[in-house]
Amino acid sequence: DIQMTQSPSSLSASVGDRVTITCRASQSISSYLNWYQQKPGKAPKLLIYAASSLQSGVPSRFSGSGSGTDFTLTISSLQPEDFATYYCQQSYSTPNSFGQGTKLEIK
Amino acid sequence: EVQLVESGGVVVQPGGSLRLSCAASGFTFDDYTMHWVRQAPGKGLEWVSLISWDGGSTYYADSVKGRFTISRDNSKNSLYLQMNSLRTEDTALYYCAKGLEQWLVQDAFDIWGQGTMVTVSS
Repeated sequence: DIQMTQSPSSLSASVGDRVTITCRASQSISSYLNWYQQKPGKAPKLLIYAASSLQSGVPSRFSGSGSGTDFTLTISSLQPEDFATYYCQQSYSTPNSFGQGTKLEIK
Repeated sequence: EVQLVESGGVVVQPGGSLRLSCAASGFTFDDYTMHWVRQAPGKGLEWVSLISWDGGSTYYADSVKGRFTISRDNSKNSLYLQMNSLRTEDTALYYCAKGLEQWLVQDAFDIWGQGTMVTVSS
């Protein structure tokens, strides 16, 4: 099974900051990497699929990069509504594992 | 509007059984792989199972293999999860989710339901 490891587990930042979250796979997953945002009491929302493709309706301040085993999610200028928990997920093979999550909090 | 609505979550005793349902609307249900994903209280996301668009392929997490069965009825635009031999560690909010692209088995999840809560407790 493929293990997904995110870092950091939590992060404090301010509105306007540039933030990067990292996700590492235990083996190569090509570009089969997706990012989700989850706010308290809500279902996850797809942000980025196939490592770098922006899902329809998602603001362009979100971007993804990487291939193989190392991936990043970048938020170019944090907005108040971006404070949430972010998860990576590999869709290269089953089980379609998620990272443990990164909680982004207001500084 | 594209929508998924889960139902069937209740409190059940360890060793018990339960069937979850997910009603889909607003898209061509039988073109897409469907998934179940769960989230234990205060914890992260755990993928549970998937079923291909035609029901011909199913996969399970090791934690539920042999106990849970995923199925779908394309004539009713519905997804199901039969859960047997339930354990306390199965306590979670269960989401159904839709695959992003038509006919792909491995894919991102672009539409999620609101979840249905399953509590396994004596």
